Amino acid sequence: AQKVTQAQTEISVVEKEDVTLDCVYETRDTTYYLFWYKQPPSGELVFLIRRNSFDEQNEISGRYSWNFQKSTSSFNFTITASQVVDSAVYFCALSENKAAGNKLTFGGGTRVLVKP
Amino acid sequence: NAGVTQTPKFQVLKTGQSMTLQCAQDMNHEYMSWYRQDPGMGLRLIHYSVGAGITDQGEVPNGYNVSRSTTEDFPLRLLSAAPSQTSVYFCASKRQDNQPQHFGDGTRLSIL
Repeated sequence: AQKVTQAQTEISVVEKEDVTLDCVYETRDTTYYLFWYKQPPSGELVFLIRRNSFDEQNEISGRYSWNFQKSTSSFNFTITASQVVDSAVYFCALSENKAAGNKLTFGGGTRVLVKP
Repeated sequence: NAGVTQTPKFQVLKTGQSMTLQCAQDMNHEYMSWYRQDPGMGLRLIHYSVGAGITDQGEVPNGYNVSRSTTEDFPLRLLSAAPSQTSVYFCASKRQDNQPQHFGDGTRLSIL
């Protein structure tokens, strides 16, 4: 069965600090997809990134970067030079290729609070 | 481009009442799903559908029914509401492959 663990429930930083969110997953499938979603205080879920299991290249998008390591089953997310607008709950999620309908399994989320 | 539309946004029910949460998407997505979000537990899959006429159970299906008569609509029914069903409900849709899911804005449901 697929499982996603986000051990950090809440992280508080001061603006301009970097913050790294940990995500560890479990799966028996050799083909799978990992996602990060952001949920700002307004409540909607915003898609940030998708990565498949065959692509271990790190990715950078502006102040966001992602480190995917199959050896440790981790897909960590770093916000560089954090801003108050980054305050949100961030979810890591896993989709197995063999799962019916490619069901999405979410971690418990990490709440990030960026203080001015 | 409306995307995924959920109605209502807020609802308060009494224990034992029934209600239907509506979800509609205009992207011609085959796959639709319902999640509930509870504090500290992330989003958990209730039911999903891989196409019109096809539905299946997710992780927490008890107390909920769904149907999928059209590609666009995927309503979630609570037949006899219980306080344990107090939660925020999200509907999502995507293409049949492993593309990202598009989420609605959620329905905040309180059962008294």
